[in-house]
Amino acid sequence: SAVISQKPSRDICQRGTSLTIQCQVDSQVTMMFWYRQQPGQSLTLIATANQGSEATYESGFVIDKFPISRPNLTFSTLTVSNMSPEDSSIYLCSVAGGTDNEQFFGPGTRLTVL
Amino acid sequence: QKEVEQNSGPLSVPEGAIASLNCTYSDRGSQSFFWYRQYSGKSPELIMSIYSNGDKEDGRFTAQLNKASQYVSLLIRDSQPSDSATYLCAVNPSTTSGTYKYIFGTGTRLKVLA
Repeated sequence: SAVISQKPSRDICQRGTSLTIQCQVDSQVTMMFWYRQQPGQSLTLIATANQGSEATYESGFVIDKFPISRPNLTFSTLTVSNMSPEDSSIYLCSVAGGTDNEQFFGPGTRLTVL
Repeated sequence: QKEVEQNSGPLSVPEGAIASLNCTYSDRGSQSFFWYRQYSGKSPELIMSIYSNGDKEDGRFTAQLNKASQYVSLLIRDSQPSDSATYLCAVNPSTTSGTYKYIFGTGTRLKVLA
C-alpha cells in the first residue's frame, strides 16, 4: 500500500483563522479523499479531491469552508476556513486505487480551535 | 435507519477467546465491505476486505458476509490485549460503486482482558 503523510500532525488555532492541511503520497493514486472524525465519532467524508478539477463535496460541506486543491496525483491540500470551535476534529486524507477498491488512510491532523 | 450500524460496545472478551464484531447495512446492492482497526489517537488501518458471500480468513481474522441478511462480521481468534481498539465497518454502497466512496459505521470498541 502507498505511504501517506500529512502535515501538520496537530495544531491549535484561534477562532476565525484558517489552516491548510497537506497530504502527500509516495506514489500516484487515482482517488484521494478527505474525512473528518469528530471526538468519539466515526469518519465523515468531506469531499473527493479530483486531480485537475474541482473537488466533489458531500452534503453538508461547502467549498467556501473547505477549499481543496489537487494539483497532481500525489498531493492534495484541505483548508479549514474561518474556523470555529466546532471545527475541532481529526482530519484524515485517504487514497484508493487499483482493482480492490480499498482505501488507506494518512496519519491524520488533530485540530483544536480555541 | 442508519446506513451502516454497529454496536458501540465496549465488547469485553478474555485473552485467548474469540471476539465477534457485527455490522449491518441498509443498501441491499452494496458490493464491497471493509473492516478497519483504529487504535486510540491513531488513524484507521485496513484489516480485511470482503466482496463475496461466505468467509474470508487472514491469520487470526475471519470476515463473514451474508448479503441476503445484509450483515458482515469480523471474528478475531485467540484475542490478544493488543487487539483492544475500535473496529470500524465500511461499506461501498451500490449508489457509489466505482467511486470508491465508503460509508463508515460508528465502530465497536473491543477490550481484550489479560
